[in-house]
Amino acid sequence: AQRVTQPEKLLSVFKGAPVELKCNYSYSGSPELFWYVQYSRQRLQLLLRHISRESIKGFTADLNKGETSFHLKKPFAQEEDSAMYYCALSGGSGNTPLVFGKGTRLSVIA
Amino acid sequence: GAVVSQHPSRVICKSGTSVKIECRSLDFQATTMFWYRQFPKKSLMLMATSNEGSKATYEQGVEKDKFLINHASLTLSTLTVTSAHPEDSSFYICSALGTGGLASYNEQFFGPGTRLTVL
Repeated sequence: AQRVTQPEKLLSVFKGAPVELKCNYSYSGSPELFWYVQYSRQRLQLLLRHISRESIKGFTADLNKGETSFHLKKPFAQEEDSAMYYCALSGGSGNTPLVFGKGTRLSVIA
Repeated sequence: GAVVSQHPSRVICKSGTSVKIECRSLDFQATTMFWYRQFPKKSLMLMATSNEGSKATYEQGVEKDKFLINHASLTLSTLTVTSAHPEDSSFYICSALGTGGLASYNEQFFGPGTRLTVL
């Protein structure tokens, strides 16, 4: 069964501190992993996807197939990073829907 | 960039009435759109997959007669909540799957959501 687990509902860090939002998944094939972000009163938007290997807004995420993880990291948190973060999984082919984790609310304290 | 709109953004209706929510891809064609429901402080729950020109595929536990989905064109999908009841009150979000061009392949673009309140 496809499943995405985000163990932390809320993560509070101080500005300038490192951030790691955890995501683990279960999937029988080769999934595509995503991180979506939802800022206050805004729509859900793609932050990054594992196949692009990009760093967006200072965030990176590496797919670890051995640990079935796709943790989101940023070395120095900023106040504007405060938002809801969702890890998501897709079967990776064509029109398969996303399976979302329950989300982690990141609060960056000044 | 690729934009998905939803209309209305907020609707209040009486119990027993039907409500239609529109989801449009504004600058790209989307053969596949998805409808999600988001409960307060909860994650998004996939309700159905909407394919242009064919019947929607509903997730287990979602009543197809209650939540009617029509995907009549490559840029429009509609969700109609029939005979709405207070327990249908929720935040409904659609997404459209990119197929290239302005919309990157296999990337989902989300609408802003529709807040439905059933009195």
